[in-house]
Amino acid sequence: GAVVSQHPSRVICKSGTSVKIECRSLDFQATTMFWYRQFPKQSLMLMATSNEGSKATYEQGVEKDKFLINHASLTLSTLTVTSAHPEDSSFYICSARVRTGVSYNEQFFGPGTRLTVL
Amino acid sequence: EDKVVQSPLSLVVHEGDTVTLNCSYEVTNFRSLLWYKQEKKAPTFLFMLTSSGIEKKSGRLSSILDKKELFSILNITATQTGDSAVYLCAVAPSNFGNEKLTFGTGTRLTIIP
Repeated sequence: GAVVSQHPSRVICKSGTSVKIECRSLDFQATTMFWYRQFPKQSLMLMATSNEGSKATYEQGVEKDKFLINHASLTLSTLTVTSAHPEDSSFYICSARVRTGVSYNEQFFGPGTRLTVL
Repeated sequence: EDKVVQSPLSLVVHEGDTVTLNCSYEVTNFRSLLWYKQEKKAPTFLFMLTSSGIEKKSGRLSSILDKKELFSILNITATQTGDSAVYLCAVAPSNFGNEKLTFGTGTRLTIIP
């Protein structure tokens, strides 16, 4: 149980284009999903918290107009990188929180999306 | 600002050795500490620790939390090449409405056959 999928797994795009990444919880409902970014040999950095039916909460230094998050349903959140630039190249990972008693804070991660902007 | 520090940053041992990975933290409102294993893709969950002194065990892996010293260790006995990965430690806050995990930079473990 608690499987999270991401699509696509890898994307290469030209500078200036927009890229949409989907995160789905396959066998549970996720009221909250989290988007992380990981640069090479660095740890995961939280970008934003996505709540179903409401606006995402962005971490300090993350541009909300550049990284658009839509949590349209209890099983789907999308991250759109608008007008992508080479410095946006990174590994983007989503996670979904499973709220089950003591596992309140347990998050299950998707397989990640590697974005390369040329 | 919440902070998680892991040590060592990297570790290379021979198959069969036992390793201990360290995680120390400073967090305003602590609820739990989590350990993840990250190979080439996203992290996979290993343990969640909320109480001091209670060891959690899964096969050759075990972990324990010391809330007084703000410290956790992850032990791996009889290491195998499949244990090679980055091990991430994260802390979760307790205050309602703030559920974000703060991750350490990880320990890169390499097991030599």
